[in-house]
Amino acid sequence: AQKVTQAQTEISVVEKEDVTLDCVYETRDTTYYLFWYKQPPSGELVFLIRRNSFDEQNEISGRYSWNFQKSTSSFNFTITASQVVDSAVYFCALTETSYDKVIFGPGTSLSVIP
Amino acid sequence: NAGVTQTPKFQVLKTGQSMTLQCAQDMNHEYMSWYRQDPGMGLRLIHYSVGAGITDQGEVPNGYNVSRSTTEDFPLRLLSAAPSQTSVYFCASSFRGSETEAFFGQGTRLTVV
Repeated sequence: AQKVTQAQTEISVVEKEDVTLDCVYETRDTTYYLFWYKQPPSGELVFLIRRNSFDEQNEISGRYSWNFQKSTSSFNFTITASQVVDSAVYFCALTETSYDKVIFGPGTSLSVIP
Repeated sequence: NAGVTQTPKFQVLKTGQSMTLQCAQDMNHEYMSWYRQDPGMGLRLIHYSVGAGITDQGEVPNGYNVSRSTTEDFPLRLLSAAPSQTSVYFCASSFRGSETEAFFGQGTRLTVV
């Protein structure tokens, strides 16, 4: 069965600190997709990244980076030099190709303090 | 581009009332879905559709109905509202299915009293 765990419920950091948001997933499929979404205080949900199970290459986009490790079933998200605008709830999500449903984790609420 | 449009943005219902949350997308996406968001529980899938005329249940379908008569529209019906259905509801669409990125509506905050 699909499951996504985000063990960190809330994180507070001081501006300019680096922060890593953890995501651990469970799946029986060999082909699956992982996502990160951001929900700022305004409430909308914004897509950040998509990764398929065959691509373990880490990705960097500006201050954001993602570390995908199949060996530990993790897809962690790091924000470097955090800014107040990074304050949001971040969701990790999983979908399996044989099971056409997206399962979201419970989310991690990040507060960046100026 | 309108993207995914949800209406209404806010709604208060009395227990036992019925209503329909509207969702429309103008991106010609095949896959549409409804989620509810509750504190500490993330987004939970209610129903989804892989194309016009095809719908299926998600994690928490009880008390909700959907239909997909057109590619653009995917309304969510609450048959007899209960306080447990107080939540924020999001509609989403994606191009080719659940393996592609989802575009979300602005959400509907529903309170059942």
